[in-house]
Amino acid sequence: AQSVTQPDIHITVSEGASLELRCNYSYGATPYLFWYVQSPGQGLQLLLKYFSGDTLVQGIKGFEAEFKRSQSSFNLRKPSVHWSDAAEYFCAVGASGGSYIPTFGRGTSLIVHP
Amino acid sequence: DTGVSQDPRHKITKRGQNVTFRCDPISEHNRLYWYRQTLGQGPEFLTYFQNEAQLEKSRLLSDRFSAERPKGSFSTLEIQRTEQGDSAMYLCASSLSRGGGETQYFGPGTRLLVL
Repeated sequence: AQSVTQPDIHITVSEGASLELRCNYSYGATPYLFWYVQSPGQGLQLLLKYFSGDTLVQGIKGFEAEFKRSQSSFNLRKPSVHWSDAAEYFCAVGASGGSYIPTFGRGTSLIVHP
Repeated sequence: DTGVSQDPRHKITKRGQNVTFRCDPISEHNRLYWYRQTLGQGPEFLTYFQNEAQLEKSRLLSDRFSAERPKGSFSTLEIQRTEQGDSAMYLCASSLSRGGGETQYFGPGTRLLVL
């Protein structure tokens, strides 16, 4: 079975600074990988996804993520953070074979200082 | 495309009562998922449907939980004899299965508080 680790529970950055949120996964084959964002009291919004092909994936709101097979990582990045980016971020991994049910990490809470 | 909707958004109930939540997926999506999310955690899979068939259930889904998707469109999740430990956000997601990678789209969730 697949698993996801988001090692940082909280990340604090200043507005305008760059951001990197870490995600490590465990899965025997090439996984499907996702990043979602959740604002307080809301559902999850998809930021970006990786299924195959180019390992650098562009998403919405200026986010990107890079799939690194050798490191089993799919870190999320943004060059300049805005105050509105403050939210909870979830990485998820889905199996590329068998029943498709993604497993989510516990999330990283992003705090943005003005 | 109106997105995934869930009703109600909030529910407060007393322990031992039954509750039912509804999810309306994106209209052309054939798969529908239910998740539970507790504070400080990511969503945990409960069950999913492909059309009207319930294909998989998590061990988290006790006998007090039942889900239906009678016509392959909307779905309901019922919790019988609620317990305080059932307090959580219940999320619904839908996707279009095309035999390859698929993307889940989430609703806003139903927040349940059991007193």
